[in-house]
Amino acid sequence: EAQVTQNPRYLITVTGKKLTVTCSQNMNHEYMSWYRQDPGLGLRQIYYSMNVEVTDKGDVPEGYKVSRKEKRNFPLILESPSPNQTSLYFCASSFLGRDGQYFGPGTRLTVT
Amino acid sequence: EDKVVQSPLSLVVHEGDTVTLNCSYEVTNFRSLLWYKQEKKAPTFLFMLTSSGIEKKSGRLSSILDKKELFSILNITATQTGDSAIYLCAVEDFGNEKLTFGTGTRLTIIP
Repeated sequence: EAQVTQNPRYLITVTGKKLTVTCSQNMNHEYMSWYRQDPGLGLRQIYYSMNVEVTDKGDVPEGYKVSRKEKRNFPLILESPSPNQTSLYFCASSFLGRDGQYFGPGTRLTVT
Repeated sequence: EDKVVQSPLSLVVHEGDTVTLNCSYEVTNFRSLLWYKQEKKAPTFLFMLTSSGIEKKSGRLSSILDKKELFSILNITATQTGDSAIYLCAVEDFGNEKLTFGTGTRLTIIP
């Protein structure tokens, strides 16, 4: 089954404790992206990658890191999480230039 | 900076009504406009529009783009309770495939 998977789906953590949210897709997509979704602000792009070893900042990259060592994986790293990073996070992927992005199921992160 | 504005923010209608959702945008290098439906989970893709005046249709849903006036509409006819969702509009920037989303229209269908 074609899909984008994210882990964990839910996470409660404390300020400053490094965490990684994994994202994996099995569709051989070149393009992968991370978004956060907050009430009243909609979906905002954090980072995206157009292929292996190619990553770029989106609209809200501060406090986040990513890497794209393999085509299928695009982990999101929070080196020192803060409460303002409490949000719903989505990973998405697509072929370059083709119809729409496939979204993962989301990761709800709470930083206390 | 790319910008997407959707209206209305919220809409409540009765089952069977027809609704029109609006999306206006500003983008430096337009590549495409996309519509997504989001229920209580991840957004799912509806349409991708690249050319003006060409309607895309899927069942009771249809959408059209006006690149001169920089807007798109999403129409839903004979609405059903299953159409209740947040509808998201996004524009894609040419070259980097960066997506900018609007805040969405929350559609509620009353039986």
